[in-house]
Amino acid sequence: DVKVTQSSRYLVKRTGEKVFLECVQDMDHENMFWYRQDPGLGLRLIYFSYDVKMKEKGDIPEGYSVSREKKERFSLILESASTNQTSMYLCASSPGTRRGYTFGSGTRLTVV
Amino acid sequence: AQSVAQPEDQVNVAEGNPLTVKCTYSVSGNPYLFWYVQYPNRGLQFLLKYITGDNLVKGSYGFEAEFNKSQTSFHLKKPSALVSDSALYFCAVRDPNYGGSQGNLIFGKGTKLSVKP
Repeated sequence: DVKVTQSSRYLVKRTGEKVFLECVQDMDHENMFWYRQDPGLGLRLIYFSYDVKMKEKGDIPEGYSVSREKKERFSLILESASTNQTSMYLCASSPGTRRGYTFGSGTRLTVV
Repeated sequence: AQSVAQPEDQVNVAEGNPLTVKCTYSVSGNPYLFWYVQYPNRGLQFLLKYITGDNLVKGSYGFEAEFNKSQTSFHLKKPSALVSDSALYFCAVRDPNYGGSQGNLIFGKGTKLSVKP
């Protein structure tokens, strides 16, 4: 089975801190995605990547950046965390849209 | 614009009764349709998909969904609900115009299913 591993289940950070959320997949998928999930808003795409060193903005990229130096790893960076970035963050990977996405377990980030 | 809608925020069902979670979509071309389930504080898990072929798709945990092209719907169903089916359910559709040649998935807002004993 494909595994998508997010490094932390729960994180608490202070306003203004630089925050790194890590995601690693073990099935050589080209495509990786970062979403945030908020009650009533569903899943919103932050960034995605179709290849190493490639990134594309999703629907809500403001306040975030990403890094994909290796195929298996896709990192989400909050340059200066703010309280409105408190959310559940979900990483996903996919070999192609026909095969669907595989999601990690999520990181619940609280910014205080 | 491509879209997917889950018209019900919550569905309540008694254990043993049939359940339906609704999904409608609007996309150009042939739709790729998916259902995912999310248990509390977990990521989304794949349930089933429709790409082509038989309109009735069977998936994990006894779930099935019917693709209805004329009604642009892809409702999730189960003949007999279990308390353990209580979770958040997401419908997703491929948007061929978003995210390059493959198209990214766009997700509905989710429907909370509550199954009472």
